[in-house]
Amino acid sequence: ELKVEQNPLFLSMQEGKNYTIYCNYSTTSDRLYWYRQDPGKSLESLFVLLSNGAVKQEGRLMASLDTKARLSTLHITAAVHDLSATYFCAPARYNNNDMRFGAGTRLTVKP
Amino acid sequence: DTEVTQTPKHLVMGMTNKKSLKCEQHMGHRAMYWYKQKAKKPPELMFVYSYEKLSINESVPSRFSPECPNSSLLNLHLHALQPEDSALYLCASSQEGTGEQFFGPGTRLTVL
Repeated sequence: ELKVEQNPLFLSMQEGKNYTIYCNYSTTSDRLYWYRQDPGKSLESLFVLLSNGAVKQEGRLMASLDTKARLSTLHITAAVHDLSATYFCAPARYNNNDMRFGAGTRLTVKP
Repeated sequence: DTEVTQTPKHLVMGMTNKKSLKCEQHMGHRAMYWYKQKAKKPPELMFVYSYEKLSINESVPSRFSPECPNSSLLNLHLHALQPEDSALYLCASSQEGTGEQFFGPGTRLTVL
């Protein structure tokens, strides 16, 4: 069974600071997704990581995937208040068209 | 059309009612999903349809009954629900290749 561990679960940052969210998973997976969720809203796709060593960047967010270590990271550079949200990682089950979500990281960026 | 739509947005029902949630996408995706999300928790997969056939049922109680009438539509029929079934119900569809899932806005369900 694919288990996903995300940490930290809660993150309070000052604007302008950098931080990394970690996502470990338990079994072989060839794809991993990152989603953002604002309070009371649905999920927004941020990144699709399809291979070992994949790195994607969008604005102040950068995601990477190491399938050998079963680890993905979401790095936040120079945080701004608009990044406050809950971030979920979701590795795909190998050879399946479904994924499993981590517990989520609730990020608060303070001025 | 690049979105997944869901109706209704909100639903309040009693434990003896029968209701249905609806989901629609016109992106040509052939996989569609139902998730349940409780407050401050991650989404939990309930059902997966692939090419209009049920491919995954995550041991969901029979009071939830999915239906996929065609490749664009996904329904979730609800009957004899319990108060603990109150949650946000999310529908998603995914494209082949990347498997990226696109989520609808959700239906917030309250069972009294």
